[in-house]
Amino acid sequence: SQQGEEDPQALSIQEGENATMNCSYKTSINNLQWYRQNSGRGLVHLILIRSNEREKHSGRLRVTLDTSKKSSSLLITASRAADTASYFCATDAVQAGTALIFGKGTTLSVSS
Amino acid sequence: GAVVSQHPSRVICKSGTSVKIECRSLDFQATTMFWYRQFPKQSLMLMATSNEGSKATYEQGVEKDKFLINHASLTLSTLTVTSAHPEDSSFYICSARDGVGQFFGPGTRLTVL
Repeated sequence: SQQGEEDPQALSIQEGENATMNCSYKTSINNLQWYRQNSGRGLVHLILIRSNEREKHSGRLRVTLDTSKKSSSLLITASRAADTASYFCATDAVQAGTALIFGKGTTLSVSS
Repeated sequence: GAVVSQHPSRVICKSGTSVKIECRSLDFQATTMFWYRQFPKQSLMLMATSNEGSKATYEQGVEKDKFLINHASLTLSTLTVTSAHPEDSSFYICSARDGVGQFFGPGTRLTVL
């Protein structure tokens, strides 16, 4: 099962530009997490934002959460070629012990 | 802390054979373990949820007789793909949950010829 949509599905930018990815979900959540995945590799956890938080920063990453709209955004500032990867949001539902459910993901390509 | 391992990382098998994938939580006891499947250029899809000592709960559309899950201990879960076919070729990722969060293994790439 998947929570919802991410947009855009694919994003191509130049190094130094900012990249914004959006995620929508359907159920009530405890938190929302963003992951990165390089082609053919495992997941890398980027950031977690709790349902009572609206914005969170980590280095060049900025995540927002709007629980009224059931949406989140991930902003990567001053992108680098090494940021090229797929990015997924994953929601942690209110019900205890349930699995993280992933969005469809955004494929980011940063060219130098 | 919170390391999850999978073995093997990559497996190639002939059609009709069975393949077992192990998932271990190395430094914590997992209350629950999950198995996901990821086809090329797609997202992770939850296949099943397993708790130690009880039967796994499968997501809609996942054949429980084809994807056998055994959760023998609080640190080990196995996924056996029985009578594998080329359409089962995928990236299988396990995950383990403790009281703090959910942690992912590095994945197993299964190729069925």
